[in-house]
Amino acid sequence: DTAVSQTPKYLVTQMGNDKSIKCEQNLGHDTMYWYKQDSKKFLKIMFSYNNKELIINETVPNRFSPKSPDKAHLNLHINSLELGDSAVYFCASSPWTGNTEAFFGQGTRLTVV
Amino acid sequence: QQPVQSPQAVILREGEDAVINCSSSKALYSVHWYRQKHGEAPVFLMILLKGGEQKGHEKISASFNEKKQQSSLYLTASQLSYSGTYFCGTEVGQGAQKLVFGQGTRLTINP
Repeated sequence: DTAVSQTPKYLVTQMGNDKSIKCEQNLGHDTMYWYKQDSKKFLKIMFSYNNKELIINETVPNRFSPKSPDKAHLNLHINSLELGDSAVYFCASSPWTGNTEAFFGQGTRLTVV
Repeated sequence: QQPVQSPQAVILREGEDAVINCSSSKALYSVHWYRQKHGEAPVFLMILLKGGEQKGHEKISASFNEKKQQSSLYLTASQLSYSGTYFCGTEVGQGAQKLVFGQGTRLTINP
């Protein structure tokens, strides 16, 4: 059983389109995150949710909107995609915030053409 | 504030040792170490919480200095499976609710 699963694994789309990435965790964790990893491998946090509530929004453009229908799911919707959005997006979860291991999904490689 | 890792890249032969450093200008609440293999997700290695703490995981261990501004990851008698990019992640306060990662150190182990 996959602990943190993301779909799709690959996403190729044109500039200006809107797309979503889904994330689900079956670990019973309270906290979920979205990270963006660029071509230089820099891993940067975008959002943090605790029990469906937004905790952290790290100066991410408004075109990115996370949605957490329940604490096991954290989806990422991106409007008006730009070339600079191309990256690998990782979803992660942890039992609570701080002092604890984060489990990462396998990543979604987004390519905007 | 992003921690600084050094070196940026290391190339070793199997059996050699490596040290990866992670530094911050501020005292940290904790330091996390992760390894990411090419095309895969980061995988947790260990967390250090206390100044002066040392922890081990097989032949991979880490330390957190007394001032809690620097951590080092030690890889002893490296194996081919140790290849990957190593990230330190830092929290600046309890319940900070986010990990800020360093830029990564790429480790290549050759036979």
